[in-house]
Amino acid sequence: AQSVTQLGSHVSVSEGALVLLRCNYSSSVPPYLFWYVQYPNQGLQLLLKYTSAATLVKGINGFEAEFKKSETSFHLTKPSAHMSDAAEYFCAVSGDGQNFVFGPGTRLSVLP
Amino acid sequence: NAGVTQTPKFRVLKTGQSMTLLCAQDMNHEYMYWYRQDPGMGLRLIHYSVGEGTTAKGEVPDGYNVSRLKKQNFLLGLESAAPSQTSVYFCASSPWVSTVWTGELFFGEGSRLTVL
Repeated sequence: AQSVTQLGSHVSVSEGALVLLRCNYSSSVPPYLFWYVQYPNQGLQLLLKYTSAATLVKGINGFEAEFKKSETSFHLTKPSAHMSDAAEYFCAVSGDGQNFVFGPGTRLSVLP
Repeated sequence: NAGVTQTPKFRVLKTGQSMTLLCAQDMNHEYMYWYRQDPGMGLRLIHYSVGEGTTAKGEVPDGYNVSRLKKQNFLLGLESAAPSQTSVYFCASSPWVSTVWTGELFFGEGSRLTVL
């Protein structure tokens, strides 16, 4: 069975500050890991994905995530937050592509 | 290129009524999925399909039925709507490229359903 936990349902940062959104997963098979972003009243868009290649994954809009097998983590970071980063972020895991399991989401607020 | 299109985008039903949500994708993707999104619970998989004519149950299939008669369409039906089915429903599709699963979901914009 697979599961995803995201620490913090709501994170607030100041514009220009570091963004850190936490994701921990459990999986009985080598996982594919993803971060998706959802802007208000829209569907989800892929930010980045880990598929067993490089452990540090770079995505769109300056985001990156590091796969740490020993910690079963896939935390999302961005060095400098921008107002346009305000959105809800979902971590997801899949072992085979037929079943994605999403975390509960973290809402990111960016303060001026 | 429209991507993934869901209709309708909004619907209000009374308890016991039936309805169908239509998802259409024009990207020739093999896999299609229906999720529901509820506050604080992320997305939960209702049903999915790995190809035309195939369907399978996800995490929360009760009260829903699906069909995939054509590769580009995936229908989600509610036979007898209940207030617990008030939610935002998302359709997604996922491609295989040269027998390799790419690992990306492409989402529609969602359908907001209210059951009174």
